[in-house]
Amino acid sequence: RKEVEQDPGPFNVPEGATVAFNCTYSNSASQSFFWYRQDCRKEPKLLMSVYSSGNEDGRFTAQLNRASQYISLLIRDSKLSDSATYLCVVNGKRFGAGTRLTVKP
Amino acid sequence: DTGVSQDPRHKITKRGQNVTFRCDPISEHNRLYWYRQTLGQGPEFLTYFQNEAQLEKSRLLSDRFSAERPKGSFSTLEIQRTEQGDSAMYLCASSLATGTGLVEQFFGPGTRLTVL
Repeated sequence: RKEVEQDPGPFNVPEGATVAFNCTYSNSASQSFFWYRQDCRKEPKLLMSVYSSGNEDGRFTAQLNRASQYISLLIRDSKLSDSATYLCVVNGKRFGAGTRLTVKP
Repeated sequence: DTGVSQDPRHKITKRGQNVTFRCDPISEHNRLYWYRQTLGQGPEFLTYFQNEAQLEKSRLLSDRFSAERPKGSFSTLEIQRTEQGDSAMYLCASSLATGTGLVEQFFGPGTRLTVL
């Protein structure tokens, strides 16, 4: 089993839709969790950290479920500019394979 | 530009040759990471340094790979006797380690290696 696994995608959604991604991790002792965004042919950039109590940043909400060992990312009111690959990161170094999102007009 | 820089941006080499990549992190960052990324995959952790000490090296990393950060600033990643399977994007990232445990990494633009 991989250390970090993500929804395979791709997700193709219309503008304005709400979309959610999950990411499971195998190490129950994991302490830090992040979501990164990677545009085509670009380097990954931090989208948001994931706090134990869950956190929100505008249209983006991240949640952590330690009991089931997964984190989630919810994007509300999708914009065309949200089209990218979303990577979850566990313990700062273990990346998932990424989930590709395409938002269409 | 005060971000992470990598050099070269592209490298084409023949199988069996040695290559070396350089990464210059953000100046005050004490941690430096190397990753490898292939198409359709997330970055795969290779190794990381805290200051000049190499604290972790992936078990997936063969003996042909070596990394250094001699003065705790820039780092080099060398691949000896390159193989076609080494073709990938090599990403460097840096961060400022604190006591909170939540540390953002800033990535460089990567070095794309093609082994013919």
